[in-house]
Amino acid sequence: DTAVSQTPKYLVTQMGNDKSIKCEQNLGHDTMYWYKQDSKKFLKIMFSYNNKELIINETVPNRFSPKSPDKAHLNLHINSLELGDSAVYFCASSQEGLGYADTQYFGPGTRLTVL
Amino acid sequence: QQQVKQSPQSLIVQKGGISIINCAYENTAFDYFPWYQQFPGKGPALLIAIRPDVSEKKEGRFTISFNKSAKQFSLHIMDSQPGDSATYFCAACNSGAGSYQLTFGKGTKLSVIP
Repeated sequence: DTAVSQTPKYLVTQMGNDKSIKCEQNLGHDTMYWYKQDSKKFLKIMFSYNNKELIINETVPNRFSPKSPDKAHLNLHINSLELGDSAVYFCASSQEGLGYADTQYFGPGTRLTVL
Repeated sequence: QQQVKQSPQSLIVQKGGISIINCAYENTAFDYFPWYQQFPGKGPALLIAIRPDVSEKKEGRFTISFNKSAKQFSLHIMDSQPGDSATYFCAACNSGAGSYQLTFGKGTKLSVIP
């Protein structure tokens, strides 16, 4: 029973292409996130959605667009891929109470390689 | 601007020894401090977390020590085992800001040798 799942696990594509990564959580959580982990393992938040509404959008190029069709899904669409987009992308989810941070559950990651 | 500084970058410990990883933060509004463990090819998973109303939290072989005045917190792994070999990330969050955004340290790669 996978709590947070991502597809695909690996994605290899050419510069300039458009690609999407899908994320689903079956934990009933209200909040979902996208993180980018670079080659040096540094984890950085990209987006956060709470009940289908964007609440964080860090300094991410507008080529990246998150889409949340419902609170169990948060997909990441990337336009005009660049070499620097190569990284591992993690989806995560959490159940946040008012003013109360709690465990974030991470998916297995999607390794994106842009050639 | 790195708001959470983690050290060391890598750590080699003998089996049975104590592993210690340190983190320091700048934002006094942070009120939740988790540690995540990541194995190669896997997503990070919560190991243990602390809130600033206590100075120490222990779960099995893992202990967080928290020093609010120094704005520092550390992870101690007692009786380290080869299975503990992984990358460890400290993080901090300002839950009062309503976004629950985690700011991560740069990670420590722990290797426990038999």
